[in-house]
Amino acid sequence: DGGITQSPKYLFRKEGQNVTLSCEQNLNHDAMYWYRQDPGQGLRLIYYSQIVNDFQKGDIAEGYSVSREKKESFPLTVTSAQKNPTAFYLCASSIWRENEQFFGPGTRLTVL
Amino acid sequence: AQSVAQPEDQVNVAEGNPLTVKCTYSVSGNPYLFWYVQYPNRGLQFLLKYITGDNLVKGSYGFEAEFNKSQTSFHLKKPSALVSDSALYFCAVRERGSYIPTFGRGTSLIVHP
Repeated sequence: DGGITQSPKYLFRKEGQNVTLSCEQNLNHDAMYWYRQDPGQGLRLIYYSQIVNDFQKGDIAEGYSVSREKKESFPLTVTSAQKNPTAFYLCASSIWRENEQFFGPGTRLTVL
Repeated sequence: AQSVAQPEDQVNVAEGNPLTVKCTYSVSGNPYLFWYVQYPNRGLQFLLKYITGDNLVKGSYGFEAEFNKSQTSFHLKKPSALVSDSALYFCAVRERGSYIPTFGRGTSLIVHP
């Protein structure tokens, strides 16, 4: 999966709890992204970051937060404000102003 | 605004037969186009891309795609399908000047032995 790791692979959360999904890359890529994947809906962009200490909201940022304190790391927090968080979450990276993205193996979050 | 459509939710093909997975796009200028493959419970893997130049692009695992500007299409093709090609395929488009791609909903390819 191209030098990007995501942990954990599976995550279970009770309603009302915040959880943080980890994403680390060793590709020296400037840009990192978080996507949410639901069956039949493709990939929807949550947040992206072009450089350290900077990030932008994507199409579905409500109920999520991120940080980019290091180039290698882009953790995603799913807050209790996210109304329907059960989904498959994918992290990706790319060389900014280049083309294809490299994806991690994903984290499947289930809210109990 | 940029958009991409994959008109087929599922494509079925017999092993050894040629396969086509369709993709059409809409952008305001010249596009960057991509194909990715996803196996169950895994991340996406890059297959190929069109940036400029030759309309026929060759990629990984014997896949190729043809850029057709007049029809705004970028169909994925392979001359002889393998059972191991069975997976979910995503087309993505990015306008030049926009650095965020838009993904299609995906097409499930099923190759029957």
